[in-house]
Amino acid sequence: AQTVTQSQPEMSVQEAETVTLSCTYDTSESDYYLFWYKQPPSRQMILVIRQEAYKQQNATENRFSVNFQKAAKSFSLKISDSQLGDAAMYFCAYRSEMIQGAQKLVFGQGTRLTINP
Amino acid sequence: DTGVSQDPRHKITKRGQNVTFRCDPISEHNRLYWYRQTLGQGPEFLTYFQNEAQLEKSRLLSDRFSAERPKGSFSTLEIQRTEQGDSAMYLCASSLANNQPQHFGDGTRLSIL
Repeated sequence: AQTVTQSQPEMSVQEAETVTLSCTYDTSESDYYLFWYKQPPSRQMILVIRQEAYKQQNATENRFSVNFQKAAKSFSLKISDSQLGDAAMYFCAYRSEMIQGAQKLVFGQGTRLTINP
Repeated sequence: DTGVSQDPRHKITKRGQNVTFRCDPISEHNRLYWYRQTLGQGPEFLTYFQNEAQLEKSRLLSDRFSAERPKGSFSTLEIQRTEQGDSAMYLCASSLANNQPQHFGDGTRLSIL
């Protein structure tokens, strides 16, 4: 079974600074997706960024980028120019790409990110 | 595209009562997922529908839980004889087929007195 581990329960960063959230995972599969989701307080889970395992190039979405190290099974999220609206719980998630299967998400425990003004 | 809708947002009930939650996925999304999220934890998979067929259930889904998706549109999740341990946020997500990302609803927060 796949597992996802986020070792940082809480992180904080000054507004406009850069912060990196860590995620490691365990799988024996070669084809999969990795995701970072953001969950603001009392609001819905929002997809931030995704990475296909077969792609070596790291995904980027505006101020959000990932450092994907497939051999190390590491998938960190870097947030540049942090904004107050970035404050949320961030979840790393794994999804198998096996054709037969639910392609369900396996989530880490989450990292609570605080932005200090 | 109005997003995934869940009802109710909050449910408070006494232990032993039955509760039912509803999820309306994004139209034309044929895949629908239920997850459970306890305080301070990441969501955990409960069950999955492709159209009206329930194709996978987690071991977390005890026999007190039942989910349906009649006609492949909205879905309901029922919990019978609720227990304290059922207190959690129940999240619904939907996606198109072919490796598309899952879109989540706001969730239903269940509190058992």
